[in-house]
Amino acid sequence: EDQVTQSPEALRLQEGESSSLNCSYTVSGLRGLFWYRQDPGKGPEFLFTLYSAGEEKEKERLKATLTKKESFLHITAPKPEDSATYLCAVISNFGNEKLTFGTGTRLTIIP
Amino acid sequence: EAQVTQNPRYLITVTGKKLTVTCSQNMNHEYMSWYRQDPGLGLRQIYYSMNVEVTDKGDVPEGYKVSRKEKRNFPLILESPSPNQTSLYFCASSSLSAGKESPLHFGNGTRLTVT
Repeated sequence: EDQVTQSPEALRLQEGESSSLNCSYTVSGLRGLFWYRQDPGKGPEFLFTLYSAGEEKEKERLKATLTKKESFLHITAPKPEDSATYLCAVISNFGNEKLTFGTGTRLTIIP
Repeated sequence: EAQVTQNPRYLITVTGKKLTVTCSQNMNHEYMSWYRQDPGLGLRQIYYSMNVEVTDKGDVPEGYKVSRKEKRNFPLILESPSPNQTSLYFCASSSLSAGKESPLHFGNGTRLTVT
């Protein structure tokens, strides 16, 4: 069974203080790893897809990286508007197009 | 604007009273899915559909029904809701024909309370 574990559960940073969120996964043949951002009261919003170890994707202050066992979401010089819950999900080569999600990291950026 | 639309956003009901949550997408996506989100458990798939008239169970299908009569619509039906179905529900869709993994697009959720 596919599993995704995210850490930490919650993270508070000062504005401008860079950090990383972790997503560890176990999957029978990784087809893709996704990062989503979820704001309170809203549905998850797609950020990145990573397909193979060594791959990196960047968007503004966010950079996602992937190894064979985990992915990191690096946040550089965050701003208060980066406050959200960040979700990681995997899709395997076997199965029904289902995404298996982690429980997320709740990020708060303090001005 | 490309979107997934769910209705209603909030719903309070009583045990046993049948209800339907509607979901519609305007992106011509083949794949649609329902998830529920509970604290500490994350998003769990309820049902999914690969195309019209093709549906199948996800991880937590008990107590739910779905139908896919048209490509754009994928309603979630609770025939006899119970309090343990109190949750935040999300509908999502994606393209199966877009080549590399097409990301799921989510609606804004339906918060259901069953008393």
